[in-house]
Amino acid sequence: DIQMTQSPSSLSASVGDRVTITCQASQDISNYLNWYQQKPGKAPKLLIYDASNLETGVPSRFSGSGSGTDFTFTISSLQPEDIATYYCQQYDNLPNFGQGTRLEIK
Amino acid sequence: EVQLLESGGGLVQPGGSLRLSCAASGFTFSSYAMSWVRQAPGKGLEWVSAISGSGGSTYYADSVKGRFTISRDNSKNTLYLQMNSLRAEDTAVYYCAKDLTTVTNYEYFQHWGQGTLVTVSS
Repeated sequence: DIQMTQSPSSLSASVGDRVTITCQASQDISNYLNWYQQKPGKAPKLLIYDASNLETGVPSRFSGSGSGTDFTFTISSLQPEDIATYYCQQYDNLPNFGQGTRLEIK
Repeated sequence: EVQLLESGGGLVQPGGSLRLSCAASGFTFSSYAMSWVRQAPGKGLEWVSAISGSGGSTYYADSVKGRFTISRDNSKNTLYLQMNSLRAEDTAVYYCAKDLTTVTNYEYFQHWGQGTLVTVSS
């Protein structure tokens, strides 16, 4: 099984900050990686697919990069509505998710 | 507008069974693979199972293989998850999710329902 390791597990940042979350796969998964946002009490929302493609309607302050085993998710300027838990998900084999990164406002 | 509405959750004893349903609307249901993803209370996301648009291919996580069965009725635009031999560790909110494209089976979870809570407890 492919293991996905996200870091950090939690993060506190100020409005306007640049925020970066990383996801590492236990083996090469090419660009088979997606990112999701989950707000408290809500279903997850697809933000980035295939490592770097922005889902329709998602603000451009969100971006993703990487390939192989190392991936990065970035919020260029943190907004209050971005408070959520973020998950990476691989699909090189049957899908699985990283453990999540809880993002809070400082 | 894509809408996914899960139902069928509830309290069940260990060893019991439950069938979840997911009613879909706003897209051509038979063209898209569908998945079930669950989230235990206070925990992360776990993919459970997927089914192709035609229903001819199914996929399961090891944790549910042999106990859960995914199916769909394209005439009713409805996805199902039959859960047997339930365990305490199956307690979770169960979401149904629609794939992003018509040619993939479990790669992307583009649209999600609101979830239905399954509690396995005596």
